Amino acid sequence: DAGVTQSPTHLIKTRGQQVTLRCSPISGHKSVSWYQQVLGQGPQFIFQYYEKEERGRGNFPDRFSARQFPNYSSELNVNALLLGDSALYLCASSSVGTGGGVRNYGYTFGSGTRLTVV
Amino acid sequence: GEDVEQSLFLSVREGDSSVINCTYTDSSSTYLYWYKQEPGAGLQLLTYIFSNMDMKQDQRLTVLLNKKDKHLSLRIADTQTGDSAIYFCAESLGNMDMGRRALTFGSGTRLQVQP
Repeated sequence: DAGVTQSPTHLIKTRGQQVTLRCSPISGHKSVSWYQQVLGQGPQFIFQYYEKEERGRGNFPDRFSARQFPNYSSELNVNALLLGDSALYLCASSSVGTGGGVRNYGYTFGSGTRLTVV
Repeated sequence: GEDVEQSLFLSVREGDSSVINCTYTDSSSTYLYWYKQEPGAGLQLLTYIFSNMDMKQDQRLTVLLNKKDKHLSLRIADTQTGDSAIYFCAESLGNMDMGRRALTFGSGTRLQVQP
């Protein structure tokens, strides 16, 4: 079974540019969340989507947006990139609400996309 | 507000037990998690505990939860060099409804295992 896949793995962008990061959840998982992890810190919550609807948003500016597609994959978009947006962007999927054992309340993370803004 | 705190660094010798501590502030936390992150990698879920439990054991891992003090610990028995990584404590807030359980992470504890 494939885990959570993210693309690209690495990306270098210039200040002011726009970037799109992609995530495919584990098959059968309907919830996708995005996190930003700045070097030396823990991940910070950006967005959560469930059944293609936004269900939660962290404390990030409007330059950050996301969407979830009918196949439950997701994209994270960041406009007008700043140097401070350089980070590892992590996607997590969970089988929230699909029943089964307690393991369903865990989140499985992808390996992330490392974004460097220069 | 939500805040999760961890000590930054822990060094142990191979074969010893490691204890990584975490404190959280929100008493409405429903689930508490431990994740492991190796260099250049994503997060690996190690274990979790419900807020109505005091202890959970899973092979070499033991999680202790003190709800009164809002203190969570992860004990790794017989620590190996392969356990060297950053360990994150995380809490899940919000209600149990679908899609409203974002994780709040601590800053991570770097575990160094010396041979």
